[in-house]
Amino acid sequence: QVQLQESGPRLVKPSETLSLTCSVSGYSISSGHYWGWIRQPPGKGLEWIGNIYRSGSTYFNPSLKSRVTISVDTSKNQFSLRLSSVTAADTAVYYCARISYSTYLAWFDSWGQGTLVTVSS
Amino acid sequence: DIVMTQSPDSLAVSLGERATINCKSSQSVLYSSNNKNYLAWYQHKPGQPPKLLFYWASTRESGVPDRFSGSGSGTDFTLTISSLQAEDVAVYYCQQYYSTPLTFGGGTKVEIK
Repeated sequence: QVQLQESGPRLVKPSETLSLTCSVSGYSISSGHYWGWIRQPPGKGLEWIGNIYRSGSTYFNPSLKSRVTISVDTSKNQFSLRLSSVTAADTAVYYCARISYSTYLAWFDSWGQGTLVTVSS
Repeated sequence: DIVMTQSPDSLAVSLGERATINCKSSQSVLYSSNNKNYLAWYQHKPGQPPKLLFYWASTRESGVPDRFSGSGSGTDFTLTISSLQAEDVAVYYCQQYYSTPLTFGGGTKVEIK
């Protein structure tokens, strides 16, 4: 059974870059599927950030596209998120997840536990 | 962007009673070439990640109790819990995957009356 686990700094200063890594176990990223990042600000709903395929092909939410980088390391079975120039509005629980199909247009069938990242000086 | 609007924002239902959650998309998420609705439902409990309940609007994910059902087509969808159990207390979200950006509804909080 696939398992995902987010890791990275929980506190980021304003204007700096948020960096998170999702470690995947029980399934090889190289086998297929898209992999994604979703976030949930405190008290708010879910927001899709972007998806990546094993090839490195990416799709991003236009609202964040200028600040987001998603990369994949198949040798480590990990994928990563970088969000630049963060503000307090980027404070959220960040989830990594697996897209159910080998297409970026699908549902999320497995999720990490999520990690709260706070943007504060 | 396809805007997903859920109603109500919250509802309180007695144990054993029916709970109905609505989700409306700003444009159709029915893909005519395969006659599939590109809509999923999730259950989200505090401190846990969202859990997939349905995809293709009405296909139940493995392990989801059959008291849960998904229905609808085009722009109007419904998640129904036929007999609410204590463990069903959660926030429920719909999500469209017809086009990017992938978008979620605002969530519906289900509580026990």
